[in-house]
Amino acid sequence: EDKVVQSPLSLVVHEGDTVTLNCSYEVTNFRSLLWYKQEKKAPTFLFMLTSSGIEKKSGRLSSILDKKELSSILNITATQTGDSAIYLCAVANNRKLIWGLGTSLAVNP
Amino acid sequence: SAVISQKPSRDICQRGTSLTIQCQVDSQVTMMFWYRQQPGQSLTLIATANQGSEATYESGFVIDKFPISRPNLTFSTLTVSNMSPEDSSIYLCSVGLPGTSYEQYFGPGTRLTVT
Repeated sequence: EDKVVQSPLSLVVHEGDTVTLNCSYEVTNFRSLLWYKQEKKAPTFLFMLTSSGIEKKSGRLSSILDKKELSSILNITATQTGDSAIYLCAVANNRKLIWGLGTSLAVNP
Repeated sequence: SAVISQKPSRDICQRGTSLTIQCQVDSQVTMMFWYRQQPGQSLTLIATANQGSEATYESGFVIDKFPISRPNLTFSTLTVSNMSPEDSSIYLCSVGLPGTSYEQYFGPGTRLTVT
């Protein structure tokens, strides 16, 4: 059965800290890995990774995929209170997205 | 990207009743999806809404309980029928945009509480 596992499940840091969120997967017919940020209800798209070793970057957020290790990390540098959210990892197979449980990040001032 | 709206944003319903959730997109899209996110759980795909044909349901979800309509390329509805407290959840629609591959963009969600 396809599965996506995220760690840690929750994390509390102080503003300015750097955090690393992990996503590992066992998915047949892998197509790509996606990261989303969920505040309140709707997830918002962050990154899509298809090729191993190529970093995607947007401001203080960056992500990379390791297809050999079947995993990805999402880094957030110089965290701000506005980064507090649930970060979801999803893997696309040839039919649908398979979602992890998410990492709940709380950034304290 | 696209602007996706959902109505209602939240509702409290009595068991045994039905609720229809609407999803409207400001541009034509091929792929529309309906998800459920129960408390403390991740997103679970209910079905893919196909324009002009019956929706494709995931294992564990049936048309009698979650009928879906997709009359055109910008609109879809999901009905939660004969509700029970176990149906209390956030319901989300998402779309895949033309020219993109696997990323999906989500509506603001509907928070449903069944009493």
